[in-house]
Amino acid sequence: SQTIHQWPATLVQPVGSPLSLECTVEGTSNPNLYWYRQAAGRGLQLLFYSVGIGQISSEVPQNLSASRPQDRQFILSSKKLLLSDSGFYLCAGNRGDGYTFGSGTRLTVV
Amino acid sequence: DQQVKQNSPSLSVQEGRISILNCDYTNSMFDYFLWYKKYPAEGPTFLISISSIKDKNEDGRFTVFLNKSAKHLSLHIVPSQPGDSAVYFCATRDSGNTPLVFGKGTRLSVIA
Repeated sequence: SQTIHQWPATLVQPVGSPLSLECTVEGTSNPNLYWYRQAAGRGLQLLFYSVGIGQISSEVPQNLSASRPQDRQFILSSKKLLLSDSGFYLCAGNRGDGYTFGSGTRLTVV
Repeated sequence: DQQVKQNSPSLSVQEGRISILNCDYTNSMFDYFLWYKKYPAEGPTFLISISSIKDKNEDGRFTVFLNKSAKHLSLHIVPSQPGDSAVYFCATRDSGNTPLVFGKGTRLSVIA
């Protein structure tokens, strides 16, 4: 079965600092991978998705970027964080017709 | 513009009674619908799904109903238990390999 690993669980970063969140997948090969953000009152917003190594689709213009250097690795990055980047970030992989989610990273930009 | 709407941000239900969570969608091309349950500081977990060829799917205490003409689906939980207290997200996609679209969620509180 598919397992999504995310770390860290919580992160406090100053405005203007860089960001790197890593997501790895276990138990499946060639998954579609997704980064979602849950901001207060906003539900789950799709940020990026990837159907393979080096293939990234961006859903919304933003201060973030994503990369997929390996089949089972998906990275969310920023060069300079903004206060509005605060939120709960979730990585997901497709499993059948649904998704498996990681446990999430709570990012607070101060 | 929201393609998936969960118009009730919160719902309180007494233990043992029925919980009904609603979801409306705008795109008639959506053909697969899912409900996810999320506890604080955790990722969502899959609860139940339904294909557009059906109008009802049942799994234990959970039943999902789909009304395609009204573009509406609902999740029924009966009997409700305190452990059901969580945020419930409705999600959907079309027949292509497109990402799931989620609603904003409904926070369910089951009161003992």
